[in-house]
Formats: sequence, C-alpha cells, structure tokens
Amino acid sequence: NAGVTQTPKFRVLKTGQSMTLLCAQDMNHEYMYWYRQDPGMGLRLIHYSVGEGTTAKGEVPDGYNVSRLKKQNFLLGLESAAPSQTSVYFCASRPPWRRSTDTQYFGPGTRLTVL
Amino acid sequence: AQTVTQSQPEMSVQEAETVTLSCTYDTSESDYYLFWYKQPPSRQMILVIRQEAYKQQNATENRFSVNFQKAAKSFSLKISDSQLGDAAMYFCAYIAGNQFYFGTGTSLTVIP
Repeated sequence: NAGVTQTPKFRVLKTGQSMTLLCAQDMNHEYMYWYRQDPGMGLRLIHYSVGEGTTAKGEVPDGYNVSRLKKQNFLLGLESAAPSQTSVYFCASRPPWRRSTDTQYFGPGTRLTVL
Repeated sequence: AQTVTQSQPEMSVQEAETVTLSCTYDTSESDYYLFWYKQPPSRQMILVIRQEAYKQQNATENRFSVNFQKAAKSFSLKISDSQLGDAAMYFCAYIAGNQFYFGTGTSLTVIP
C-alpha cells in the first residue's frame, strides 16, 4: 500500500497561473481533506469530501476549488494563483471512526511557491 | 467558533526527563475526538495519541499519555523518558462532525 500520495512535491508558480494538486489514496477511505500549513499557523482546512462526488468548504476555502470524481482521488485547484497561496499543502484521508486506532493518514505534502 | 490553543510555541526538555505540552480547545459539540500529532523535520504528520471525548479514562501510548479534562476543555500531552527522536513540532487537534481543527503547534527540543 502506498497510503496517501501527493503530486507534485514541489512547484513554483507565477502570480495568475493555475495548477492542480493531485491527492491519491489506496486505502478505500471515504473521507479526504486538503490543508495548508503556514509558519505559526498550524494546519488549516481548505476543503474536504465525505465521499465520491461530494465536496465541502473548510476554514479557508477562498481561491481554491476541489473535485472528487473518483473515490481514491481528491484534486485541489488554484485558478489564479496569488502570493498569499504560498504554503505547504497536505492531503489526508480517513475511514469512518470504527476502531480506536482510526485516524487521518497524511500525504507527504506539496511545497508551493507563488512569485 | 471552533478553536484550538497551544500556548507554548517552544518547549525544551532534558533527555530522559518528562515534559508536558498544553492544549485547550473550544467546541460546542458534545461528541468529538482529540489528537496529538508529531511533525518532525521530514514534514510527515504522525499520530501520537488519540482520545475519545466520551471516555473519561486518559489515553496512554507507551511513553505518551494525556490529561483530558473535558469540563475545562483541556488536553495536555505528557512525554516521559524523553528521547532525542521526540524532537519535533507537536500539534493538538480535534474533530467535530467531519472537520478537523488544529492548534498552532509547540516546537519541542530535546537536550542531550
């Protein structure tokens, strides 16, 4: 099992450019999440999905869009990148809580710089 | 508003000693789960310990234990017999409904 993977690992964009970050999980998890991590801010939830074909806004959704066309994939899009979107982006997935050990499983992160 | 507060941006501990990291949270939900995550320089988020809010018994996981005070909305992490490999950022978090909320983190240094 690869767990949660993110593509790409690093990216540099110019202001106004667009891009899509791909998150893939092979654990058949229903729930998937996109976070951003900024210095001194911890992780903040951007969007999440509770199942294939569903998406919902998190704490900081502005400037981002998401899609969950397949259960195993969760895409995060930036239509017109801004320097304020420079951050490290984490994807995570989880099963419904059934066992005491259930938790989120995180991807390795994507470092995005917007110039 | 749902918030998580970690009031100690940085902490240090001597190797083999015990350290406690503080966390308070604010939620109107009655059913939720609490977590401590560790993030080493590799950036990978690693689950340290988990606590169900409906359980009064404090969770323990080897050298890691929590002091969960539900009425006070406090969830501190105690690391016993600290090791060099414990050096990392530690994040307190909870999930209420489907959303996770994270604190701003505590950077732990372990002194040999």
